[in-house]
Amino acid sequence: DAKTTQPPSMDCAEGRAANLPCNHSTISGNEYVYWYRQIHSQGPQYIIHGLKNNETNEMASLIITEDRKSSTLILPHATLRDTAVYYCIAPSGGYQKVTFGTGTKLQVIP
Amino acid sequence: DTGVSQDPRHKITKRGQNVTFRCDPISEHNRLYWYRQTLGQGPEFLTYFQNEAQLEKSRLLSDRFSAERPKGSFSTLEIQRTEQGDSAMYLCASSLPGPNEKLFFGSGTQLSVL
Repeated sequence: DAKTTQPPSMDCAEGRAANLPCNHSTISGNEYVYWYRQIHSQGPQYIIHGLKNNETNEMASLIITEDRKSSTLILPHATLRDTAVYYCIAPSGGYQKVTFGTGTKLQVIP
Repeated sequence: DTGVSQDPRHKITKRGQNVTFRCDPISEHNRLYWYRQTLGQGPEFLTYFQNEAQLEKSRLLSDRFSAERPKGSFSTLEIQRTEQGDSAMYLCASSLPGPNEKLFFGSGTQLSVL
C-alpha cells in the first residue's frame, strides 16, 4: 500500500472552505485514495474516495493531481461539526495492510 | 438504525481478567475488521474475517487475543489475562469487498485496564 503523508493539524474559519492536503507519491496506478474522518469518541466515518478523476459528494470534494502523487479534500463550507481528525489512506488489496497514521486534526474556529 | 454496533461502549477491568467484546456488522456485509486505537494514534489493524473465515491476523494480535465470527454474522474479540498496555479503543468495521471497498465503523469499545 502507498504511504500517505498529511500535516498534523490545520485551522479553518467557520463558513470558509477547508482544504486538507495529502501526499501519496508512491501510489500505484490502480490504488484508490480514500478519506475518512473521526470525530472525538466515535469510530471513523467514510467521506469520499477516488482513483484519478475529481470526485464530489454531499460531504466533500476530492481533487487528485494528474500525476496522482497528491490529493486535496475540500470541505466547501466548514462548520464546527467538521472539527475532527481526517485520514487519507490508499488501501490497495484490502484494509488489512493499511496504516491510518495520525491524520490531520482539523479545528474549525467560530 | 442498521449501522455497525459494538457492545459494551466502555469496559473497566482489573489486570489479569478476561474481557470479551461484541460487534454486530451491517447485515449484508461479509467482511468484518477489528482495529485497536490508542490516544493520539490512528486505528491499527488487528484481524479481519470474510464471512466466518479469519483471513489475516496482525502481529499486534498476541496469543492472549482471539477473535471469532461463528456464523459469519456477529463477531467477538476476547482478551485473556489483560495487561495495562491493552487499554485502548477497540473498533469494529464491516464492508463489502471490492475495488470500491468502504469501511463502516462502529463507535468502539473503550477498554481501561487498572
